[in-house]
Amino acid sequence: QVQLQESGPGLVKPSQTLSLTCTVSGGSISGGGYYWSWIRQHPGKGLEWIGYIYYSGSTYYIPSLQSRVTMSVDTSKNQFSLRLSSLTAADTAVYYCARSVVPAAGPYYFDFWGQGTLVTVSS
Amino acid sequence: DIQMTQSPSSLSASVGDRVTITCRPSQSISNYLNWYQQKPGKAPKLLIYAASSLQSGVPSRFSGSGSGTDFTLTINSLQPEDFATYYCQQSFDPVFTFGPGTKVDI
Repeated sequence: QVQLQESGPGLVKPSQTLSLTCTVSGGSISGGGYYWSWIRQHPGKGLEWIGYIYYSGSTYYIPSLQSRVTMSVDTSKNQFSLRLSSLTAADTAVYYCARSVVPAAGPYYFDFWGQGTLVTVSS
Repeated sequence: DIQMTQSPSSLSASVGDRVTITCRPSQSISNYLNWYQQKPGKAPKLLIYAASSLQSGVPSRFSGSGSGTDFTLTINSLQPEDFATYYCQQSFDPVFTFGPGTKVDI
């Protein structure tokens, strides 16, 4: 059974950079057929997909966050990471990492998720 | 980006009821539509992918249908553990987007 676990600070100051790591267990991050995603949920709100990274390092970020987002992968540790810069209160959210299945045909979907970590941006 | 709408935004139901939730994308997305269930304080859980395929381990009372711009999630014989918020999500467009959610409560 694949498991994902986010780690990182729960409180970050405005204008600073958030760094989160997702550790994958029960499966290799280097296996083909999966992208590794970050998704966030503002308090009491819906879900916003931030982007994904492939084990090779190729990435896709949503245009609205592209200037502030960087994702990376460490296959030796079976981890992938998110960096989000120039934080504001609007970035306060629960951040989830998730595995995106990439089938040969048909839609990508998120089949395994981390438990989520609340990040608060406040001075 | 493709905008997703869901209806209703919330509903009240009883154990044993049949519940239907609708999801409509702002443009046709073929069958590139997935459904998730989220309980308070928990991560979303995949229920249905590709509009109608049941994820392994998900009870058969959950079903999905539709294509293009009109999709439905149906829960037959609602169980106490089904009270949650349900989200649709499209992956037709490179920017994946979720619907605003439908809260199912007692």
